[in-house]
Amino acid sequence: AQKVTQAQTEISVVEKEDVTLDCVYETRDTTYYLFWYKQPPSGELVFLIRRNSFDEQNEISGRYSWNFQKSTSSFNFTITASQVVDSAVYFCALSVGNAGNMLTFGGGTRLMVKP
Amino acid sequence: DAGVIQSPRHEVTEMGQEVTLRCKPISGHNSLFWYRQTMMRGLELLIYFNNNVPIDDSGMPEDRFSAKMPNASFSTLKIQPSEPRDSAVYFCASSLAVRRSRNTQYFGPGTRLTVL
Repeated sequence: AQKVTQAQTEISVVEKEDVTLDCVYETRDTTYYLFWYKQPPSGELVFLIRRNSFDEQNEISGRYSWNFQKSTSSFNFTITASQVVDSAVYFCALSVGNAGNMLTFGGGTRLMVKP
Repeated sequence: DAGVIQSPRHEVTEMGQEVTLRCKPISGHNSLFWYRQTMMRGLELLIYFNNNVPIDDSGMPEDRFSAKMPNASFSTLKIQPSEPRDSAVYFCASSLAVRRSRNTQYFGPGTRLTVL
């Protein structure tokens, strides 16, 4: 069985601070994919990134960066110089290679960025 | 390109009534997923289809829930009879399921269901 844990239920920062959202996953499969989704106050789920288990390269996209470490089963997400528009709930998710692309979601981290 | 389309966006109904939620996946996608989001249980997968065939419905709460996908561009999730505990946001998502690649799920805007 797969499991995703986002231990931080809520984080509050002041604008321009850097913030890291933690994600720890569990699976026995050697082929898997990790995802981050953003759910802003409007409610939709917006895809941010996907990584596969064979690619441990960290990724940077503008102010967003992701740190994938298989040794600790973690896939952490950092927002640099946070902005008010980053306020949302962020979900980490896992799918395994042979499970029909089903996603197992973490409980989400609510990020509040104050001006 | 249009994303995943869901209707209605909001539904308010009374206990015992039948509710039908609709989803149009992204054109060309061959997998479709129904999720439910509640404060208590978070995001739960209810059922998913691959090439219009239901593959895993183990997440469907009970017999009151049913889902169909009559063709590649349309799916419904029906609750009959509805109960107040069914109140939630229901998301539909689609993906292009090619083995071990391109399996990102894209979500619709959701349907907020309130059962009084």
